[in-house]
Amino acid sequence: QKEVEQNSGPLSVPEGAIASLNCTYSDRVSQSFFWYRQYSGKSPELIMSIYSNGDKEDGRFTAQLNKASQYVSLLIRDSQPSDSATYLCAVSNDYKLSFGAGTTVTVRA
Amino acid sequence: GAVVSQHPSWVICKSGTSVKIECRSLDFQATTMFWYRQFPKQSLMLMATSNEGSKATYEQGVEKDKFLINHASLTLSTLTVTSAHPEDSSFYICSGLAGGSETQYFGPGTRLLVL
Repeated sequence: QKEVEQNSGPLSVPEGAIASLNCTYSDRVSQSFFWYRQYSGKSPELIMSIYSNGDKEDGRFTAQLNKASQYVSLLIRDSQPSDSATYLCAVSNDYKLSFGAGTTVTVRA
Repeated sequence: GAVVSQHPSWVICKSGTSVKIECRSLDFQATTMFWYRQFPKQSLMLMATSNEGSKATYEQGVEKDKFLINHASLTLSTLTVTSAHPEDSSFYICSGLAGGSETQYFGPGTRLLVL
């Protein structure tokens, strides 16, 4: 079983719509969760970190965490063409990150 | 956010040669640095964890004698790919972790092509 699994893409959404990304993890002791965005040919950049159950909002991005279900998600509201990228879910254990395979999002203008 | 640089950004070398990649934290002290490798269409795979002044900890399956890591200061870690072969061609990315934080800040990556 993979440690971190993300919903398979690619995900195509029209401009202005909501993109919904999901991630599940296997290690129940994980305490820290991150969403990174990676443009083609570039390294990952941090979008959000979340540590407590519930929602965390930052601009057009909302991360949701449910530790009981071992589930973390990312919503992108008012999607823009510049949001087209691969989104990586990462789970931290003892400061080491385990990454999901990533979900590629394409925002259609 | 914190800034991490890598040098070089691109390197092409002949099979059998060694290549050194530098990772620097520019505006914070990175007590721990991580080295990742990413093959096309795949996610990042952690290679090793390095702490300043101590030996690196390698992930299972990563040859420590092939991928030499040195973390001589709180702002600099180096990865040396020794006797590189075409299968070592990949995107190598480092990240830095500031003390007391769980957030990793990534460098821009180094693309290695071994001919």
